[in-house]
Amino acid sequence: GENVEQHPSTLSVQEGDSAVIKCTYSDSASNYFPWYKQELGKRPQLIIDIRSNVGEKKDQRIAVTLNKTAKHFSLHITETQPEDSAVYFCAARGPNSGYSTLTFGKGTMLLVSP
Amino acid sequence: GAVVSQHPSWVICKSGTSVKIECRSLDFQATTMFWYRQFPKQSLMLMATSNEGSKATYEQGVEKDKFLINHASLTLSTLTVTSAHPEDSSFYICSARGGRMSSYNEQFFGPGTRLTVL
Repeated sequence: GENVEQHPSTLSVQEGDSAVIKCTYSDSASNYFPWYKQELGKRPQLIIDIRSNVGEKKDQRIAVTLNKTAKHFSLHITETQPEDSAVYFCAARGPNSGYSTLTFGKGTMLLVSP
Repeated sequence: GAVVSQHPSWVICKSGTSVKIECRSLDFQATTMFWYRQFPKQSLMLMATSNEGSKATYEQGVEKDKFLINHASLTLSTLTVTSAHPEDSSFYICSARGGRMSSYNEQFFGPGTRLTVL
């Protein structure tokens, strides 16, 4: 099955700096890569996603890049703010995943200091 | 749109009792629902996937007789933790997904249920 690795596990930045979280996946057939933000005790919220026919997608301060050849994708947050502090999960899904399930990375705890 | 609710939001029960958690898609029909378990500071672990009207597919290592899943309608799935024990204490999160032709083809998560077994 699919295996998703996520790094780093924790990331501390100063307000205004950029943050980058990286994920790799194992199943070359995976074609959908969402990123979720989860605040403590709350549900994961989809913040951005990318499909395999696109190399980059941007939404205001957040962007995601995908390298299909290398099987890795990254989340980029610019001009970080304290409210960006949360756990971020990457995920991958593809036609070989059975019932189209998402496989999640282990998460990255982002701490943005004022 | 795409609102998924869970009930209860938290529950405390005695060891040996059973607990039922409901997951509802409020504004779309969920052909597929997923149940996850999340331990503190860890990722979401898929427990099972259920399609409306059919039996759930459980992930390896998840006991189907202990975690009973019912997906009787396109808007409701239930997870029953039978004979709960302290090690079952966790955050249980459901997610729902519409069909391929649906506007809600992606997974939308419920708010989660925190189960504490004494």
